[in-house]
Amino acid sequence: DVNLVESGGGLAQPGGSLRLSCVASGFTFSSYGMAWVRQAPGKGLEWAAAIGGSGHSKYYADSVKGRFIISRDNSKNRLFLQLNSLRADDTAVYYCVKEGHYYHMDAWGKGITVTV
Amino acid sequence: QSALTQPASVSGSPGQSITISCSGSTSDVGGYNLVSWYQQHPGKAPKLMIYDVTNRPSGVSNRFSGSKSGNTASLTISDLQGEDEADYYCSSFISTSLYIFGTGTKVTVL
Repeated sequence: DVNLVESGGGLAQPGGSLRLSCVASGFTFSSYGMAWVRQAPGKGLEWAAAIGGSGHSKYYADSVKGRFIISRDNSKNRLFLQLNSLRADDTAVYYCVKEGHYYHMDAWGKGITVTV
Repeated sequence: QSALTQPASVSGSPGQSITISCSGSTSDVGGYNLVSWYQQHPGKAPKLMIYDVTNRPSGVSNRFSGSKSGNTASLTISDLQGEDEADYYCSSFISTSLYIFGTGTKVTVL
């Protein structure tokens, strides 16, 4: 079974930084794109960033472009999201997501809370 | 466009069918057969219910079906059951960024 477990969330000051991590298991990690999706308290889902299987292709929502950096370590089955220049409206639950083939999200982690 | 448009709420009685709409544009829903639907129970992570407009992942009940006409996609839940009470979100590939989600629909089973 696919399993995605996020870590690294918590409380940060405005303008501060956090690094989220997600460890994946149950599938060939390097063969799939991965993404981060966030959900502010009481609000809907918002796609934040995505990365191709090799790590070369990276995509960002306008709301996080220039502040967040997505990366991956295929040797350790890990996905990362570096959150910089944090703002109050970045407060959300952040989900680690596995992409299916193509452009849908077929497995989700339980989510990790970031509070700014 | 910041989000696809969904009705805020839809309700139905057990055994009935309901349909949730998801309206976009030619840049997203209308331009690609890459619409997916997600179910989210309170306090839980979303779950994929439909992908590529009409396809069901293994393990998802065949009471869930998807369709699309023009710039509007739809999710139909047949034989509505209590466990279907949840929030539902559509999503589409969008050429300008990658993904766009819908505003979300709360389904209530009366």
